[in-house]
Amino acid sequence: DTGVSQNPRHKITKRGQNVTFRCDPISEHNRLYWYRQTLGQGPEFLTYFQNEAQLEKSRLLSDRFSAERPKGSFSTLEIQRTEQGDSAMYLCASSRGLAATYEQYFGPGTRLTVT
Amino acid sequence: AQSVTQLDSQVPVFEEAPVELRCNYSSSVSVYLFWYVQYPNQGLQLLLKYLSGSTLVESINGFEAEFNKSQTSFHLRKPSVHISDTAEYFCAVSDNYGNKLVFGAGTILRVKS
Repeated sequence: DTGVSQNPRHKITKRGQNVTFRCDPISEHNRLYWYRQTLGQGPEFLTYFQNEAQLEKSRLLSDRFSAERPKGSFSTLEIQRTEQGDSAMYLCASSRGLAATYEQYFGPGTRLTVT
Repeated sequence: AQSVTQLDSQVPVFEEAPVELRCNYSSSVSVYLFWYVQYPNQGLQLLLKYLSGSTLVESINGFEAEFNKSQTSFHLRKPSVHISDTAEYFCAVSDNYGNKLVFGAGTILRVKS
């Protein structure tokens, strides 16, 4: 396994702009998760996919956020009309199955700064 | 819904001293419990987990945690820490559907020589 990769690692954008992040999970991991981590806090769940199906979304995921996982491989997280409150580290994780049974492997994260 | 409270934001300790990082959880259903570690400039890694069976679980690098259902706690302990244990430690729970993890705010362990 080459690990979970995320791109870009850092993104600085101006308020009101749209941004898109990419996550490439470990191959053959059918579950993919997105979390958001702000300074001094632990990761907060945003959404997860089982293959290409998005099965759960947190209330944190406002209508400005959209995530996709076409063909059950990589995933993208798009934030439209960014706000300063969106500044955070966005983490992606993948696993073979249920969180209780299979370890979630985390990527290095994408740090978003909205100016 | 589940929640996790890590009572200490930072724990400074001298090398070779024992340490305990506290974690309490709240849940109306059975939970599974995890400790993740984040070393400087690295991603989160699973340290250990409790699913069922023995309430004492151990990691390969000498950490252990004990599930205490009556006190709703899952404290992490190590009898003798090393400089290399300096990291941020996150306690997490998953409900018995196992669809996601709920993390605490994290505890920064600083090991001093």
